[in-house]
Amino acid sequence: EAQVTQNPRYLITVTGKKLTVTCSQNMNHEYMSWYRQDPGLGLRQIYYSMNVEVTDKGDVPEGYKVSRKEKRNFPLILESPSPNQTSLYFCASKITGGWYYGYTFGSGTRLTVV
Amino acid sequence: SQELEQSPQSLIVQEGKNLTINCTSSKTLYGLYWYKQKYGEGLIFLMMLQKGGEEKSHEKITAKLDEKKQQSSLHITASQPSHAGIYLCGAAPSGGYQKVTFGTGTKLQVIP
Repeated sequence: EAQVTQNPRYLITVTGKKLTVTCSQNMNHEYMSWYRQDPGLGLRQIYYSMNVEVTDKGDVPEGYKVSRKEKRNFPLILESPSPNQTSLYFCASKITGGWYYGYTFGSGTRLTVV
Repeated sequence: SQELEQSPQSLIVQEGKNLTINCTSSKTLYGLYWYKQKYGEGLIFLMMLQKGGEEKSHEKITAKLDEKKQQSSLHITASQPSHAGIYLCGAAPSGGYQKVTFGTGTKLQVIP
């Protein structure tokens, strides 16, 4: 089944403890992106990647890192999480060559930083 | 930057009733996505509209794009509890690998 898989689905952590949220897609998509969703603010892009080893900042990149060493994987790294990074995170990927089908989204990771 | 405003922000309807959700863009729309999100879960692609006046249907959900008004409407006929969730519109970028900009969503509850 074609999908974007995120892990974990739920995570509670303490301030300052490094964490990684994994994202993997099996559709051979070149474009991948991370969004965070907050009440009243909608979906905001954190980082995106157009291809392997090519990443760029979105609208809210502060406090996050990403890497794209393989086409299928696009992990989101929080080096020193803070409570304002408590949010619902989505990984998404897109087929190359057109925006007709938009993104395929993962199921989300709900992160709580205490 | 482009902004999308959705109205209403939330909606409670009785099962069987029709409803409409609107999405208005601050800039020209080159394409408009509609997604549905079950509470706390991922977004499911419903449809994309590319041309002014274009209308598409997905089961009992119909969406239309009005390019001149920079607006799209999503209409649900004879709502069912399975229609409950958050509906988000997203503006397709004008080209390249620009991001999709999303509205803040409309929360729909359907009461049996």
